Amino acid sequence: DAGVTQSPTHLIKTRGQQVTLRCSPKSGHDTVSWYQQALGQGPHFIFQYYEEEERQRGNFPDRFSGHQFPNYSSELNVNALLLGDSALYLCASRWGSSYNSPLHFGNGTRLTVT
Amino acid sequence: GENVEQHPSTLSVQEGDSAVIKCTYSDSASNYFPWYKQELGKRPQLIIDIRSNVGEKKDQRIAVTLNKTAKHFSLHITETQPEDSAVYFCAASNDYKLSFGAGTTVTVRA
Repeated sequence: DAGVTQSPTHLIKTRGQQVTLRCSPKSGHDTVSWYQQALGQGPHFIFQYYEEEERQRGNFPDRFSGHQFPNYSSELNVNALLLGDSALYLCASRWGSSYNSPLHFGNGTRLTVT
Repeated sequence: GENVEQHPSTLSVQEGDSAVIKCTYSDSASNYFPWYKQELGKRPQLIIDIRSNVGEKKDQRIAVTLNKTAKHFSLHITETQPEDSAVYFCAASNDYKLSFGAGTTVTVRA
């Protein structure tokens, strides 16, 4: 049983560029959340997707957008990259939209903006 | 929004001793409190969680306690082993998102 898988594992972009990160949830999970983890900090909630819609959003600008596909996989898009966007981006999945079931994380995508 | 504070930021213990990490939260509506362990370069892994209708939960060498009145919860690791060395994060949630603490780097000395 595959867990949460993310691609790519590492990415280097230039300031002002756009990036797309991908996530496949754990088998049986239908809800995907994205978190940003800066070096030495805990993860910060970006948004959550359920039934192909963004349901909840954290304190992130509109440059951060996403999508969920019918097979529950998800993408995170970041436009007009800033140096401060350099971080580990974690995808997490669970069954259902509330915290009645535990959240499982992927290994993340390490984004470096130069 | 929810604010979670975690202490200490670093913790060094002798193998076999106990480790305790403490967290406080601000939102009295929070009702779910998981703990994650993150080894270097790896994903955060859920090690134990507790819900607000329970005061204490134990799983082998790991236990978590919750004091809703004081809005704080703690992780206890007994008989620490070298493989317990990692960064530990507490989190709090009242529905859809987790608010994480800043993490505690635990080092178990052999």
